[in-house]
Amino acid sequence: GNSVTQMEGPVTLSEEAFLTINCTYTATGYPSLFWYVQYPGEGLQLLLKATKADDKGSNKGFEATYRKETTSFHLEKGSVQVSDSAVYFCALSVSNFGNEKLTFGTGTRLTIIP
Amino acid sequence: DVKVTQSSRYLVKRTGEKVFLECVQDMDHENMFWYRQDPGLGLRLIYFSYDVKMKEKGDIPEGYSVSREKKERFSLILESASTNQTSMYLCASSLYGQGKREQYFGPGTRLTVT
Repeated sequence: GNSVTQMEGPVTLSEEAFLTINCTYTATGYPSLFWYVQYPGEGLQLLLKATKADDKGSNKGFEATYRKETTSFHLEKGSVQVSDSAVYFCALSVSNFGNEKLTFGTGTRLTIIP
Repeated sequence: DVKVTQSSRYLVKRTGEKVFLECVQDMDHENMFWYRQDPGLGLRLIYFSYDVKMKEKGDIPEGYSVSREKKERFSLILESASTNQTSMYLCASSLYGQGKREQYFGPGTRLTVT
């Protein structure tokens, strides 16, 4: 079956620090990979995605590269801000005749202190 | 701007009550999903629907049912609420079709069953 394993939190960093949140996956088939972010009191929103090997997704200074050889999709940001404090979810989707279900990791809570 | 709305942000119900959670999307999406979110477990799929009056069980359907009478509306029903159904419930929608994998989420309903 499909599964996503991501770095357990919580993670606490100082402002302007470098961020890495690890994500690895197992999938039957050829998945698309996603990072979703959930800010306090809100639903999830798509942060970035990659649909094939070696693709790099990027948004708001965050990046993640689809690594098929290591089955990984680690999230990185060079300099975090207080406003990046949120819960981050790694997810995958394997095509199923148009019914695109997502499989999520357990989430990583990130807190940035000034 | 894409929008998924949920009928309540917070809900408190008693054990044994019948509970309705409503979700509406204005994007003409074919697919709709109900998840529950619990700390340490991430998001787990309860039910999804890829067309009006169509539904499929997700990973944890026990104790829940759904209804989709109109394309834009997807309801989650707890026939007899129990304390172990206290959770955050998230609705999402997406387009049907190969590669249309991004899901759009509502803000969530935090349900407490006492």
